[in-house]
Amino acid sequence: KQEVTQIPAALSVPEGENLVLNCSFTDSAIYNLQWFRQDPGKGLTSLLLIQSSQREQTSGRLNASLDKSSGRSTLYIAASQPGDSATYLCAVGNFGNEKLTFGTGTRLTIIP
Amino acid sequence: EAGVTQFPSHSVIEKGQTVTLRCDPISGHDNLYWYRRVMGKEIKFLLHFVKESKQDESGMPNNRFLAERTGGTYSTLKVQPAELEDSGVYFCASTRARGHEQYFGPGTRLTVT
Repeated sequence: KQEVTQIPAALSVPEGENLVLNCSFTDSAIYNLQWFRQDPGKGLTSLLLIQSSQREQTSGRLNASLDKSSGRSTLYIAASQPGDSATYLCAVGNFGNEKLTFGTGTRLTIIP
Repeated sequence: EAGVTQFPSHSVIEKGQTVTLRCDPISGHDNLYWYRRVMGKEIKFLLHFVKESKQDESGMPNNRFLAERTGGTYSTLKVQPAELEDSGVYFCASTRARGHEQYFGPGTRLTVT
């Protein structure tokens, strides 16, 4: 059974700093991995999708990496801004089925 | 292109009543998923449709939950009768094909009192 862990549960950093969010998963037989952000009371916004054959994906100030063999993914946010404050969720698409297995998220606060 | 929409955004019902949640996926997306988050827990998968067929319903908690997708367009999730532990946020997602990004709706917050 796939389990996804995100540590830390909460993180506060000053504006302008670069930061890394971590995601680990127990079963390396994955199809893909997706990073989302969720603002309070809102739905999930897809940030990046990494296929199992890829090592990283980039979108603007965001870079996500995937190391399938070690069961880890990181989301790197460059030059953080107050608007980046949100909960970031990592979700793994398991090989053999379509469903996403989610972590509990990291609540990020950027301090102006 | 319109995103995934869900209705209602919030529903408050009493224990024992029935509630029906609706999801409209992105046009052309054959794959539709239901997920839910109960208080303090991670988002968990409920079921997956491919067009009108249930592909995987392994996450459905019990037979009080019934999902349908008539005609392979919108989907409904009915809870009957609702229990207190059914409270949470129910999300719908859709994707065009396997391995593609799943796009989520804003969710329906269900409160059972």
